[in-house]
Amino acid sequence: QVQLVQSGAEVKKPGASVKVSCKVSGYTLTELSMHWVRQAPGKGLEWMGGFDPEDGETIYAQKFQGRVTMTEDTSTDTAYMELSSLRSEDTAVYYCATSLGNWFDPWGQGTLVTVSS
Amino acid sequence: QSALTQPASVSGSPGQSITISCTGTSSDVGGYNYVSWYQQHPGKAPKLMIYDVSNRPSGVSNRFSGSKSGNTASLTISGLQAEDEADYYCSSYTSSSWVFGGGTKLTVL
Repeated sequence: QVQLVQSGAEVKKPGASVKVSCKVSGYTLTELSMHWVRQAPGKGLEWMGGFDPEDGETIYAQKFQGRVTMTEDTSTDTAYMELSSLRSEDTAVYYCATSLGNWFDPWGQGTLVTVSS
Repeated sequence: QSALTQPASVSGSPGQSITISCTGTSSDVGGYNYVSWYQQHPGKAPKLMIYDVSNRPSGVSNRFSGSKSGNTASLTISGLQAEDEADYYCSSYTSSSWVFGGGTKLTVL
């Protein structure tokens, strides 16, 4: 059974970058496709990007291209999502979620990123 | 990519059935049988309830069912229970990306 544990809450200033981690247990990262989804306060879910096994590469939502980088450390089974040039609108809970098909299950517990001057 | 369209809220009494719709286009909901549904309680991570339009993961109650017609997918919850009160989101694959609906708040009266 896959379990995902994310890093703790972050507070960043506008213009800075944030890197959120997601530790996998129960499976190895190479067996999974990892995705990232965010949720602004009181708002809905927004897919940011993830690994597409059919293409063998990480794909990013157009909205975040150029500002987001998703990486993996297979030696520690940890996935990372780095978002740069932060602005107040990036304040949100960021979730990692695995995909064994065209759905997301399970999800990490979420990481709150607050962008404030 | 535009978000899928869901009603903002639905409500029902215990024991009743409700249906939540999720409308997209021929490029997402209508083009693939890859619609999934998620339940989210306040302060919690989303939980997968339905995948590939109508399949239920192990452990999810058979009171939850999914279907699709054209560009609209639906989630039906029968025999409503108090613990079903939550936000529900649909999602669809669409040409190397994924899109979510805006979410529906289910209130159990």
